[in-house]
Amino acid sequence: DAKTTQPPSMDCAEGRAANLPCNHSTISGNEYVYWYRQIHSQGPQYIIHGLKNNETNEMASLIITEDRKSSTLILPHATLRDTAVYYCIVRVLNAGNMLTFGGGTRLMVKP
Amino acid sequence: DAGVIQSPRHEVTEMGQEVTLRCKPISGHDYLFWYRQTMMRGLELLIYFNNNVPIDDSGMPEDRFSAKMPNASFSTLKIQPSEPRDSAVYFCASSRPGTAREEQFFGPGTRLTVL
Repeated sequence: DAKTTQPPSMDCAEGRAANLPCNHSTISGNEYVYWYRQIHSQGPQYIIHGLKNNETNEMASLIITEDRKSSTLILPHATLRDTAVYYCIVRVLNAGNMLTFGGGTRLMVKP
Repeated sequence: DAGVIQSPRHEVTEMGQEVTLRCKPISGHDYLFWYRQTMMRGLELLIYFNNNVPIDDSGMPEDRFSAKMPNASFSTLKIQPSEPRDSAVYFCASSRPGTAREEQFFGPGTRLTVL
């Protein structure tokens, strides 16, 4: 059963902000929102995660709505190297908890 | 740290042959995961271990697949006999409990082609 819904693809101009939406309307109270990305031919890479507050790190910002039913990953100044598939995943905060990957959003950053 | 190491990076074999994929997790990581990625099914979990013990193998497609973790620094995924539909990229990942992120670190993957 799909726990998240993401648009299959998006384009973004280089240097502009990329805003990637995710719908997780059935998220449970103890589930976090995680974002991973997969650059072509590489393994997925952790980007950021959050529970209910907005989060920011060196890679991106995560905005979670107050009802927690959706979130947006923001890459503030997209570069060509940010072209990748971005996966939004909801999971309990537990190192042993597996990642359930959906289809993700294929972000194409264009010059 | 070298990260999660997988070998071989590419494997081409013929149908019916035995294939063994190898993974070395990051030192100190208690969890090890095997994922498979295909165009049709995307990324899916096959099996994972905690402290070398298999915890959940419900994702293993059939008896032709087996995985072992003889020690904390080595795991294998074996397919015997291999079939063309096993062609995919196989990823190994590891994680360590008690961190703020509880993130999984992925290896570079093994691209398997079964002819």
